Parts: sequence; structure tokens; C-alpha cells
Amino acid sequence: SQKIEQNSEALNIQEGKTATLTCNYTNYSPAYLQWYRQDPGRGPVFLLLIRENEKEKRKERLKVTFDTTLKQSLFHITASQPADSATYLCALDPTGFQKLVFGTGTRLLVSP
Amino acid sequence: KAGVTQTPRYLIKTRGQQVTLSCSPISGHRSVSWYQQTPGQGLQFLFEYFSETQRNKGNFPGRFSGRQFSNSRSEMNVSTLELGDSALYLCASSWGGAISNTEAFFGQGTRLTVV
Repeated sequence: SQKIEQNSEALNIQEGKTATLTCNYTNYSPAYLQWYRQDPGRGPVFLLLIRENEKEKRKERLKVTFDTTLKQSLFHITASQPADSATYLCALDPTGFQKLVFGTGTRLLVSP
Repeated sequence: KAGVTQTPRYLIKTRGQQVTLSCSPISGHRSVSWYQQTPGQGLQFLFEYFSETQRNKGNFPGRFSGRQFSNSRSEMNVSTLELGDSALYLCASSWGGAISNTEAFFGQGTRLTVV
């Protein structure tokens, strides 16, 4: 069956450290993968999109990697801050027609 | 430019009733998708509309329906509400197009509680 898995347990790190979140998928061959941030009671906010022919993408303190052989994407936040505390979701679109399939999300807690 | 607007923000309905939720996408966006989010199932795709046509549908019963108007605004309807329909309903807009590898912009959601 098709699955997108993220660490269900919360990730606790100290301010200033690098947070690394994992997204693994099975039985999909996505052309691209996206990462979103969601705060409680609010809609997800788009962060980064990485295509299958891109190994790595960066935006400010964020970095995403995409390994289509391992079927895995890693999401890094460097120099993390308490304001980065949120749930992070990975998503892929198997159809290419805006039908996003989301992982369960990983809650990140950054303590001062 | 204005973001995605969903109305209402909160709703309380009784089992058996029906409900209509509204979504106004970002100006110029022609694709509108709907998602249901619950603690147990996470974010699940309901359906997607592009230029008033439903292009994709998720695995939800026929009680869940939607439509899109010529100005790209969209509505979703849930009939014969059940307790399990209590959820955050999210609308997302994007440029759309034939094959669109672009991000989705989400609204704040409508929190539906069925009692």
C-alpha cells in the first residue's frame, strides 16, 4: 500500500541546534515533494518544494534533500529558534493535479 | 495580495443536518482543493476543482460534495452530518494548470463540530 511516514513522536531540541526531520514514502514515484509548517488551529504554510531531479534545496535556514532511491526526504532547520516550534508536514502529489497526500507530521519543539 | 479566505471559521451542527463551507482562493488561482484534518487521520484530500470541473476526488462518501464557480470561489457541502465529520476543513488554492508542480496556499480552515 502507499504510505508517507514521518516521525510521530515530537522532536525536542535546544535553541541554536539543527533540527532534522524525516519523510519516507513507499509505493509512490513523485515528481516532487513539498514541506509545510502548521501551527495549532491554522492551515499549513508552504515552505519548500523539491523536484525529483534536485538533490538539495535551500531557503534561508531551511534545507531539504530528496533521495528518490531511498524514497526519503530530509528537512533541516539550522540555528533553530523557539519560533520554529510547530508541526512540519511533508506532502507529495501522485497525480500532478493538486491532489496532495500528506504525511502525519512531526511536531518540533525548540526550547530556549 | 489577499490570501485564501474560508468562511465561516467555526460551526456547530447537529447530527443529521447539512452544512456548506465556502472558500475564496487567491486572485488568479484557478485550482481549489479541500482537505479534512482530524487528530486520528491527519490531513486527507477530499476533492479538487479547476475551472469549475472536479479533477480529483478522495475516498470520502457521497455525502461530501463540492462545486466551483466561474470566479474560482468554491463551496463544499456535507449532508446528513455524523459525529465523525467533526474536523478542521481546509481549503487550498493554487495556480493549477494541466500539470502543476506548484505549492498550495491554505486558508485558516473551518472548524466543524457535530453534536
